[in-house]
Amino acid sequence: GAVVSQHPSWVICKSGTSVKIECRSLDFQATTMFWYRQFPKQSLMLMATSNEGSKATYEQGVEKDKFLINHASLTLSTLTVTSAHPEDSSFYICSVRRGNGASLTYEQYFGPGTRLTVT
Amino acid sequence: RKEVEQDPGPFNVPEGATVAFNCTYSNSASQSFFWYRQDCRKEPKLLMSVYSSGNEDGRFTAQLNRASQYISLLIRDSKLSDSATYLCVVFVFSGGYNKLIFGAGTRLAVHP
Repeated sequence: GAVVSQHPSWVICKSGTSVKIECRSLDFQATTMFWYRQFPKQSLMLMATSNEGSKATYEQGVEKDKFLINHASLTLSTLTVTSAHPEDSSFYICSVRRGNGASLTYEQYFGPGTRLTVT
Repeated sequence: RKEVEQDPGPFNVPEGATVAFNCTYSNSASQSFFWYRQDCRKEPKLLMSVYSSGNEDGRFTAQLNRASQYISLLIRDSKLSDSATYLCVVFVFSGGYNKLIFGAGTRLAVHP
């Protein structure tokens, strides 16, 4: 069965509005979750690492005030795209990692993704 | 230069063909290597890990050459259901920094 769920699976919103995407770890508690973005025909790009109980770590070039991440529990992380614009239209995928991130022994599972279209 | 480079394809092959994909990576701190499969408009799914000794899973064989920083995937006896995008992925672990880095993928289309 699914290890990670995302909601919604797709969303269309108007420019200037905010959109919240939820990511749930269904199979185990995840202190760390990852948010990726994928534009058509491009690779998945890590946006940020979401840490339970503390601030997210953002990748270079990703605006933390625009992409708000909250990881309030061990099974839920949310990504809010604030004041969305058409260029934010993309496929957003969350991921959870089982195992110790400090070791090489782990498995990473991906959610089904959320397709965001900003009009 | 991209950290993980792949030929985007598409590779159009008939059923039953053998097809090989290659990938190069630039970060010498890369520690683990994977091939993921991604279907259109879906999330990536792990196909197999890649080890220095080479590994095989059914019709799929993966090879790693650390000296050349090169990874390959061989698919034998292609099936229609193998049509997808194959992502080369490396795990970079360096001190407090660790993350998966994805290639842009190689598209495979298997036709009858």
